Formats: sequence, structure tokens, C-alpha cells
Amino acid sequence: QVQLQQWGAGLLKPSETLSLTCAVNGGSFSGYYWSWIRQPPGKGLEWIGEINHGGSTNYKSSLEGRVTMSADKSRNRFSLKLTSVTAADTAVYFCVRLGASSGDYFYAFDIWGQGTTVIVSS
Amino acid sequence: DIQMTQSPISLSASVGDRVTITCRASENITNFLNWYQQKSGTTPKLLIYAASILHGGVPSRFSGRGSGRDFSLSISGLRPEDFATYYCQQSHTTVYTFGQGTRLEIK
Repeated sequence: QVQLQQWGAGLLKPSETLSLTCAVNGGSFSGYYWSWIRQPPGKGLEWIGEINHGGSTNYKSSLEGRVTMSADKSRNRFSLKLTSVTAADTAVYFCVRLGASSGDYFYAFDIWGQGTTVIVSS
Repeated sequence: DIQMTQSPISLSASVGDRVTITCRASENITNFLNWYQQKSGTTPKLLIYAASILHGGVPSRFSGRGSGRDFSLSISGLRPEDFATYYCQQSHTTVYTFGQGTRLEIK
């Protein structure tokens, strides 16, 4: 059974760089897109971006320029870096698998990491 | 980006009730619509994909319908474990967007 295990620094100062990593355990890394989704305190879910095993990325346009995702297929891991953080980046960050229905026609976020709370405060 | 608007934002109901949550997309997304359940302090879980197909292990009291711009999630015979926040999400474009969530509370 596929599980996602994520880790990274939880307390940052404004202007620092957020860095999180997610390991894919018990399943295939190739053939999927892997996303980061965040949830500010008391608020809804915001998709940040995605990457596949080959390193092809797709980012939310409002975060483009600050966000970089990378993938290490030899270790079945992918990472998120978000530069110049502010208080508005305070959130729980989830790494997530974009699963596909048979025939690869419908896609949904079917497997989620446990979440990492990131607080940006001076 | 496609905007997803859910209603109501919050809903009170009793165990055994049937409730319906709606989700409207800002443009036609055919049936590329997913629903998630998030209990307080936990990770979201996929309930329904392709607007109406139950994800593995999801009880049959959950159902989804709709196409185009308008969708709904219904839960019949509410159980205590169903009180949670529900999100819709579109996968019509690869700029994935979520609704703001509907909080289902016990009356």
C-alpha cells in the first residue's frame, strides 16, 4: 500500500525558504504526478503545483517565481521549495498523489501525506 | 483559473438525515469533479471522482451527481462519523482548484 511520508522545517522567518520533502513508500513513483497542496489555518485547500518522476512541473501561476519542485526518482522522493516566505505562507502542507482511473482519464488526489505545519513568524 | 463555489458553507443536520451539498464551477468542467472529506485535524480523503464514482471503500450512502457546471454530493442516513468538512475539486484543467469547503455539523 502506497504511503507518503513528508518532512521539513516547521518554523521559518519572513524571507526564508520553505523546504519540504516527501518520500513515496510501498508503490510506484513513476507514472504519476505528485502534488503539493496547502491549507492555511482554518481555511480551505490550495493546490501549489505538481511534478512527475521525469521532473516535468506545473505550478500555480500566483506562486510561479517563488516555487520550485524537484524529483529524485532513484530515491522515490520529491521536494518543494518556496522562497521569500511571508506570514501568508503559514499553512499545513500536504504532499499528495494524483491518481488516475483506469484508462488514465479521470484524475483525483487519492493518497495524502500526513501534513507538515509550517509557521512563518519573526 | 476555474473557480469552484460550494453551498452552503455550513450545514447542521442530525444523525439519520439526508443532506446535499452543491458545487458550481465557473465554466464547463464536464464531469471532471472530485469530492473529499476532511475530519478535524486530519488529512483529506477522496470520496468521489468523475462526479459520481465512489472511491474504493467509500460507503454507498455517499453519492455524487452532476455535469457541466453544477454538481452535488449527497449523504443519506447520516452517521456520526460523517460530520466533517467536504470539498469539491475540479480536474478539468491542470490548474487544480478546490471549493471553499462545506462544514457539516451535528444539530
